[in-house]
Amino acid sequence: NAGVTQTPKFQVLKTGQSMTLQCAQDMNHEYMSWYRQDPGMGLRLIHYSVGAGITDQGEVPNGYNVSRSTTEDFPLRLLSAAPSQTSVYFCASSYSSGTFYNSPLHFGNGTRLTVT
Amino acid sequence: LAKTTQPISMDSYEGQEVNITCSHNNIATNDYITWYQQFPSQGPRFIIQGYKTKVTNEVASLFIPADRKSSTLSLPRVSLSDTAVYYCLVGGMDSSYKLIFGSGTRLLVRP
Repeated sequence: NAGVTQTPKFQVLKTGQSMTLQCAQDMNHEYMSWYRQDPGMGLRLIHYSVGAGITDQGEVPNGYNVSRSTTEDFPLRLLSAAPSQTSVYFCASSYSSGTFYNSPLHFGNGTRLTVT
Repeated sequence: LAKTTQPISMDSYEGQEVNITCSHNNIATNDYITWYQQFPSQGPRFIIQGYKTKVTNEVASLFIPADRKSSTLSLPRVSLSDTAVYYCLVGGMDSSYKLIFGSGTRLLVRP
């Protein structure tokens, strides 16, 4: 029972580089989302998806792209990395039947990203 | 979207009961209240969820007054391992799927 799997665990990028953070869940959850957490701060929503082919912006979407081609995967793409994107990124998923808020979010263990 | 407000930090001692209150004045009729716990270098994990009155599970209780404008997470007899950040999250059928976390409460349990 893997739950929510995020890869890689750690990543160092140079300013301007692009990369994709991977997120996969094996619980057949329709809802998936990405959060970032800066040191000592709370979670901020980047993007979310309520099902395959459907994505929407969260609080801080600039500089990030997402796609949802399958139920299982929800990758987060950094287009041109900046030092301000240094953070820990968490992916989360939840069952959605129109009453998903009765089903709690399941989080991955995060990807720690440093942009120099 | 129901905004939540929590105390930034709380201190306690082992064996004491800890109550963390969250304010959510504009909670919608169908919103549920969910609490999460986060340890350093880990993703948040679900603790408890409720709609109204009182909910209890093996680790915590959740008290929600009749007006539902606040909720209180109660941790009985805390131990050092309960030192963590606690978040309340409000969302429901009439809300968007944009689940916004508040700043959380940093609980420190001392020996």
